[in-house]
Amino acid sequence: ETGVTQSPTHLIKTRGQQVTLRCSSQSGHNTVSWYQQALGQGPQFIFQYYREEENGRGNFPPRFSGLQFPNYSSELNVNALELDDSALYLCASSIHSGSYTDTQYFGPGTRLTVL
Amino acid sequence: DAKTTQPNSMESNEEEPVHLPCNHSTISGTDYIHWYRQLPSQGPEYVIHGLTSNVNNRMASLAIAEDRKSSTLILHRATLRDAAVYYCILRDLSYNTDKLIFGTGTRLQVFP
Repeated sequence: ETGVTQSPTHLIKTRGQQVTLRCSSQSGHNTVSWYQQALGQGPQFIFQYYREEENGRGNFPPRFSGLQFPNYSSELNVNALELDDSALYLCASSIHSGSYTDTQYFGPGTRLTVL
Repeated sequence: DAKTTQPNSMESNEEEPVHLPCNHSTISGTDYIHWYRQLPSQGPEYVIHGLTSNVNNRMASLAIAEDRKSSTLILHRATLRDAAVYYCILRDLSYNTDKLIFGTGTRLQVFP
C-alpha cells in the first residue's frame, strides 16, 4: 500500500510569484486536506477536497486555491506569494464516510521558502 | 472551534512510562479526542482516538476523564523513537468538513 506522497520536497520562490504543490493520496482514499505549518507552530487547516470540490476552508485568502483530480490526487496553488507564506505544506488523505473516526494520513510535506 | 491546552514540553527517560496531559474544557458531547504525533522532518501521524471510554492500541493508551474535559496519552515504555511533538486534537466535523484543529502540541524529549 502506497502512502501519501508530496512533491516537490523543497521549493524556493520569490515574493509575488506563483507556486503549485502536488499530493498523491493513499490508495483508496477519496478526500484530501491541505495544511500550512509555520516554524514552531502546529499545522493550520487550509481547505479540503472531496469529489473534486472544495469541502470546507480555513481562514486563508482566495489566493490559496486547490484542485482534486479524478484519481483523487490534488494540487495546492498559491498566487502572489508573500514572505509569510514560507512554511511546510502538508497534505493529508482520508476516506470520507461521515464517520468521526476517519483517520487522516499525512504526507512528508513540501518546504516552501519565499524570499 | 473547540480548543485544547497542552504543556509545551516534557521529558522522559527511555523505558519509563510517559503521561502526556491535555485539557479540553469546551469539548462538546460529540467531539472525539484524537492524538497525532510529528516526528522530526515528517508529517503528523495518527496515534489514537477516543470518545468517552479509555482506549488502547499498539502505540499507546488514552485515558479520558469522566467529564471529558481532559485526557491523557500514555506511552507505556518510552523509546528514543518516541521523541516527537504530540498533538491533542478535537475532531471537528461541523458543516460536514472533517478538519483537524492543531494546537502547538507537547514536545517530548526522551533520554537514554
